[in-house]
Amino acid sequence: GAVVSQHPSRVICKSGTSVKIECRSLDFQATTMFWYRQFPKQSLMLMATSNEGSKATYEQGVEKDKFLINHASLTLSTLTVTSAHPEDSSFYICSARGLAGGRSLGGYEQYFGPGTRLTVT
Amino acid sequence: EDKVVQSPLSLVVHEGDTVTLNCSYEVTNFRSLLWYKQEKKAPTFLFMLTSSGIEKKSGRLSSILDKKELFSILNITATQTGDSAVYLCAVGMNYGGATNKLIFGTGTLLAVQP
Repeated sequence: GAVVSQHPSRVICKSGTSVKIECRSLDFQATTMFWYRQFPKQSLMLMATSNEGSKATYEQGVEKDKFLINHASLTLSTLTVTSAHPEDSSFYICSARGLAGGRSLGGYEQYFGPGTRLTVT
Repeated sequence: EDKVVQSPLSLVVHEGDTVTLNCSYEVTNFRSLLWYKQEKKAPTFLFMLTSSGIEKKSGRLSSILDKKELFSILNITATQTGDSAVYLCAVGMNYGGATNKLIFGTGTLLAVQP
């Protein structure tokens, strides 16, 4: 149980284009999803937190107009990197917590997706 | 500023050795400390600790939390090459709402040689 998927796993795009990354909870309802960014040899940095049906809360220093987050359903959240530039190249990982069979799943324990490697040329 | 610091940054051992990974933290509104193992992709959950002095064990891995001294250790006994990974420590905090955030340390890269 508690499986989170991400799509695509790898994407290469040209500078100035937009890229959408999907994060899905496969066997539970994700009431909260988190988006992280990880640069090489660095740790996971929280970008934003999204609760289903409401606007995302962004961490300090993260541009909300550049990283658009939509959490329209209990199983899907999307991150759109708008007008991507080479410095946006990174590993983007989502995580989720929520409910499975009426039981709370993951208080502080978060279930991670496999990540998306974004390369902007 | 909230921070989580892990040491050592990297470690090379031989199969069969025992290793201890350290995690110290300075955060507001501490709620829990979590350990994750990250191989090539996403982190996988190992332990969550909320109380001081109570050891959690899973096979050859064990962990304990000291909330007075603000640190935790992760022990791995009889290491195997499959233990090679980055081990991440994260602290869960509550910012007053229902959202529980995790702040991650930089990780310890463990390499187990045959």
